[in-house]
Amino acid sequence: DTEVTQTPKHLVMGMTNKKSLKCEQHMGHRAMYWYKQKAKKPPELMFVYSYEKLSINESVPSRFSPECPNSSLLNLHLHALQPEDSALYLCASSQDSGRLGSYEQYFGPGTRLTVT
Amino acid sequence: GDSVTQMEGPVTLSEEACLTINCTYTATGYPSLFWYVQYPGEGLQLLLKATKADDKGSNKGFEATYRKETTSFHLEKGSVQVSDSAVYFCALSSPSYYGNNRLAFGKGNQVVVIP
Repeated sequence: DTEVTQTPKHLVMGMTNKKSLKCEQHMGHRAMYWYKQKAKKPPELMFVYSYEKLSINESVPSRFSPECPNSSLLNLHLHALQPEDSALYLCASSQDSGRLGSYEQYFGPGTRLTVT
Repeated sequence: GDSVTQMEGPVTLSEEACLTINCTYTATGYPSLFWYVQYPGEGLQLLLKATKADDKGSNKGFEATYRKETTSFHLEKGSVQVSDSAVYFCALSSPSYYGNNRLAFGKGNQVVVIP
């Protein structure tokens, strides 16, 4: 099973709202990722968690706050977003973080976020 | 740093035609190479991979061979179907002492197959 699940599938929020995106995998993977994807562009890396610790933050604005409660779950907390933050947010996981080799990443279906 | 270059522009072709999407890469180490496919309204799916030189990845009739001498990983399919219409991304990942398993993506190619 190579499934990564994400909820919700769609989210519309105002600029003053607080919401959270959720991601789950049951493949025993120890690395999890958040990406942002704009239309007709490749995904842009936002955060990487390795063994439940934040290992990469790609200078993402603080209105995006990641959280990894355990090795299977990854959240992205959203607060005071801007309309330009509207995008598809993808979660991914991989077997490991890359120290011992290059591992493929498995992606979830994404959350389509619209900020009004 | 590592980078991936895909041929510019969308690809439009008729059903049962042959598909080739070019991908070249630049990497300092020994990367693994991937092709991902994204169908409309969906996330990325791993289509195939190759982890060392001369490896051939294959899946669903698609193939790509890891060519170290030409730093290429071109995607091919002999006979496309309408259901192959999607965006295709070439990507690479290199081992890292710091354990940061980054994927470097190409810009992607929209493939449209006409019945």
